[in-house]
Amino acid sequence: DAKTTQPNSMESNEEEPVHLPCNHSTISGTDYIHWYRQLPSQGPEYVIHGLTSNVNNRMASLAIAEDRKSSTLILHRATLRDAAVYYCILPCSQGNLIFGKGTKLSVKP
Amino acid sequence: DAGITQSPRHKVTETGTPVTLRCHQTENHRYMYWYRQDPGHGLRLIHYSYGVKDTDKGEVSDGYSVSRSKTEDFLLTLESATSSQTSVYFCAIFPEEAGELFFGEGSRLTVL
Repeated sequence: DAKTTQPNSMESNEEEPVHLPCNHSTISGTDYIHWYRQLPSQGPEYVIHGLTSNVNNRMASLAIAEDRKSSTLILHRATLRDAAVYYCILPCSQGNLIFGKGTKLSVKP
Repeated sequence: DAGITQSPRHKVTETGTPVTLRCHQTENHRYMYWYRQDPGHGLRLIHYSYGVKDTDKGEVSDGYSVSRSKTEDFLLTLESATSSQTSVYFCAIFPEEAGELFFGEGSRLTVL
């Protein structure tokens, strides 16, 4: 199964953009890249997913490298409420989403 | 609101006792999942279901069993709880039309 690598933690200032990187060098051609986040004391929630093209939604943007071996989740203006653990996920061979340890994002006022 | 509830939300039990956690959905989605979350490990998949009486093992299924006798309920059972099963357990559903997982609020289990 393809694996993802993310930094353990990152810091950002409030109202500044945040770029959360993810490496997935063993990704297969049909794997979607999924991002979820987990706020303190809550279950994970969906953020965004994509295959090849960059994707945007109300929460974030997903920039996918041309070779698909890496991607970046972009929060355009971080707020205190965006402090969470962000998971970059690829499906396993059975199609299930296997979560790694993610990146803990801290946002400073 | 994805219509997913877990019960109990908190439970303290003793080693060797059986424990059942319940995940209930108000819709009729096929796919349901049980994950556990521990410090330093992130979320790990225990078991999943793709329909009534159709279940399969995830990454960390040893010591756990599941049952799905009706669409809306997915039960996770620890036949004989051990301290290593102290964890926060999350249930999730996967509405195929939405293409994303929706998680419950979690069940915190402490095994003494």
